[in-house]
Parts: sequence; C-alpha cells; structure tokens
Amino acid sequence: AQSVTQLDSQVPVFEEAPVELRCNYSSSVSVYLFWYVQYPNQGLQLLLKYLSGSTLVKGINGFEAEFNKSQTSFHLRKPSVHISDTAEYFCAVSETGGFKTIFGAGTRLFVKA
Amino acid sequence: DGGITQSPKYLFRKEGQNVTLSCEQNLNHDAMYWYRQDPGQGLRLIYYSQIVNDFQKGDIAEGYSVSREKKESFPLTVTSAQKNPTAFYLCASSNTGTAINEQFFGPGTRLTVL
Repeated sequence: AQSVTQLDSQVPVFEEAPVELRCNYSSSVSVYLFWYVQYPNQGLQLLLKYLSGSTLVKGINGFEAEFNKSQTSFHLRKPSVHISDTAEYFCAVSETGGFKTIFGAGTRLFVKA
Repeated sequence: DGGITQSPKYLFRKEGQNVTLSCEQNLNHDAMYWYRQDPGQGLRLIYYSQIVNDFQKGDIAEGYSVSREKKESFPLTVTSAQKNPTAFYLCASSNTGTAINEQFFGPGTRLTVL
C-alpha cells in the first residue's frame, strides 16, 4: 500500500522569500509523483510530475521539485513566492500502471506582503 | 476547450434527501473518479470507473452510488444513508492509455446539508 505524508499543514512566508513544501511517500513498488495546487473553491491543477529520468522536475509558475529515492521524498520549492501563490498544495503518488492516486493531506501556503 | 464540468457549484440538501452531482468530461478519458474533500484531510476516493458500465468502490463508498452509462458522464448520488455529507466534492478523469494516471479535475461541487 502507498501513503503520502505532507510534513507541514500550514506554511506562512513573506513575499519574495523562498519556500519549500515537504512531502514524503512510502510504496513497495515504483511510483509516479505529482504536485497539485488548489485555489479557494476550485478544483486541483497539476503543477508538475515526476515520471522518470532527471530527479529535478520543473513545473508551472516557477515551481520545481526534487525526487529523492533514498529518502522517499518529493519536496516542492520556489525561489521567490508571490502573493498569488497563496493556495493549498497537494502531493500525490500513483503506482506505475495503476488507476488510483493517493493524495497527501495538503499544505496551505500563505504568502504575506 | 476540453475539460471537466461539474454542476451545480453549490447544492443544499435537507436531511433524508438523495441528491445527484453531475460530472461531464470531453477529454475522451476512459477513467473517472469522485473524491470527497474535508478540511485538513486531503482528498478521499469515493468511487472510480475505468471503463463504461464498470465502477469500483473507493475508500469511503458507504452512502454513495454512481453510474457510468456513457464515457463522458459519471454522476454521483449522495444518499440519505450518508451520515455526514457536507463536504466539497471533486470529479476527475485520466487517460488510462498513458498508464501515468495524471488526473484532471473539475471545479467541484460544495454540498451543504441543512
């Protein structure tokens, strides 16, 4: 069985500061990894995904994530955040070739002026 | 534009009533999913369907029912047996042909029981 743990439920940060949202996962098989963003009262949008190859993945809106197999982590980073990045971020894992995706509990990023 | 639509955006229900949430997609995806979202709990899978006329229970299927008569449509019925139905409901779809299971989400329906 797979599981996803997002280590911070809320992350407050000042505008233009860097941010890291942490995600650890567990699985006995190979997986694909995703980060989604959700703005208030909306659905989820894909930020980025790791399928294979380079462990550093770049996504939309200046976000990037690094896959670390030995630490089973997939942390999300942005070097300089904007007010508009205020949203909830979900880490997710899907077994390769599977039909189900397991989501973390979410991290609420709050960017302050 | 291709995408997923959910209706209504807001829904109010009296206790003891069944309600049906609509989900339609024009992405030509085979797989569709229903999730429930509660504050601080992430997304929990209610039902999913890999192909027309077939669907499987997810982790929290009790009190819910679905149908998949058309590829484009996957309606969710919240029955009176669901003890605490107030939540945000999200529908999603994915292209099973890629085996990646990247999911595309609708805008959601917020259900409130009065």
